[in-house]
Amino acid sequence: AQSVTQPDIHITVSEGASLELRCNYSYGATPYLFWYVQSPGQGLQLLLKYFSGDTLVQGIKGFEAEFKRSQSSFNLRKPSVHWSDAAEYFCAVRNNAGNMLTFGGGTRLMVKP
Amino acid sequence: DTEVTQTPKHLVMGMTNKKSLKCEQHMGHRAMYWYKQKAKKPPELMFVYSYEKLSINESVPSRFSPECPNSSLLNLHLHALQPEDSALYLCASSQLDRGTTDTQYFGPGTRLTVL
Repeated sequence: AQSVTQPDIHITVSEGASLELRCNYSYGATPYLFWYVQSPGQGLQLLLKYFSGDTLVQGIKGFEAEFKRSQSSFNLRKPSVHWSDAAEYFCAVRNNAGNMLTFGGGTRLMVKP
Repeated sequence: DTEVTQTPKHLVMGMTNKKSLKCEQHMGHRAMYWYKQKAKKPPELMFVYSYEKLSINESVPSRFSPECPNSSLLNLHLHALQPEDSALYLCASSQLDRGTTDTQYFGPGTRLTVL
């Protein structure tokens, strides 16, 4: 069975500081990995995804993520956080059939002025 | 365009009411999904339609009844709900390319309150 762990429930960073959100997955085959962001009361917006190839993937809003198979991780990074980045971030892994997304518990990001 | 639309945005209903949530996509996607999300929790899968047929039902109570009238539309019919069913209901769609680049795109959700 696939699973995703986001170890940090809450993270607070200062505006302009760098950010790294952790994600660890468990999946028997090649993982298909995603990061979504959710503002309060809104739907989920896709930030980026990894299927194969280059292990460093670029997404929208200046985010990137690095896939590390040896560590079963897919951490999300941003070099300089903006106040508008405050939101809930979900890491997810998808099965090979393409119809099941398993989400991590989410990390709530707060940004200090 | 990766837009999934959902109506209504907000819905308040009593436990004896019957209501429906609607979801629409025009991306030619062949899979559509309903998720339920409680506060401070990740989305939980409820139903999956693949090629307009129900392919996954995650043991959802029968007071929730999904319907897929065509490849672009997905409904969720609600009847005799309980207050604990209050949540954000999210619709998603994906192209359903098996084992390749399939990606789910989400709508903005319907905030449901059951009184």
